[in-house]
Amino acid sequence: DGGITQSPKYLFRKEGQNVTLSCEQNLNHDAMYWYRQDPGQGLRLIYYSQIVNDFQKGDIAEGYSVSREKKESFPLTVTSAQKNPTAFYLCASTPGLAGGPGNEQFFGPGTRLTVL
Amino acid sequence: EDQVTQSPEALRLQEGESSSLNCSYTVSGLRGLFWYRQDPGKGPEFLFTLYSAGEEKEKERLKATLTKKESFLHITAPKPEDSATYLCAVQVSGAGNMLTFGGGTRLMVKP
Repeated sequence: DGGITQSPKYLFRKEGQNVTLSCEQNLNHDAMYWYRQDPGQGLRLIYYSQIVNDFQKGDIAEGYSVSREKKESFPLTVTSAQKNPTAFYLCASTPGLAGGPGNEQFFGPGTRLTVL
Repeated sequence: EDQVTQSPEALRLQEGESSSLNCSYTVSGLRGLFWYRQDPGKGPEFLFTLYSAGEEKEKERLKATLTKKESFLHITAPKPEDSATYLCAVQVSGAGNMLTFGGGTRLMVKP
């Protein structure tokens, strides 16, 4: 089965701790994305990556970091510098970064992060 | 600045009661408009992409339409399993595959 997996499903963090959220895809997609979703709000882009070893900041990158060492993996680290990290985090991928038919974003199941 | 506004924020329907969800947008150059369905605690599920004014797409009880300023998601004779949050997003010319999302409409269909 091809798809996007995220782990863990639920994550609890103490204030001041860094945590890393996993995103893996076996779709052979080049582009991957991280979004944050707050209750009752739409998705906001944190980071995206078009190819291995390259990534770009989205609209709300402060307090987050990413890496793209392998095509299938795009982990997100929520650092202690992120002031309000409690949210639902979603990973997505597309075959490429160009828009158009056949390049729709498909999403993973999400990770709910709660800061205690 | 590109903006996407969805209305209403929440909609309660009786089973079989047809209605429409609205997505209005203000963008510099629309390349595509996307509809997603999201169940509680899950990732969004892709429904439709519309690329030009006048275009329509259908899937089961759902029909999406597009004008130059807005899109509608029409739900015909909804069932309780249609209850979910419906998200609208736009893709703008020159921005590659980036999406700007609206806040979503939470649909509740009562039996």
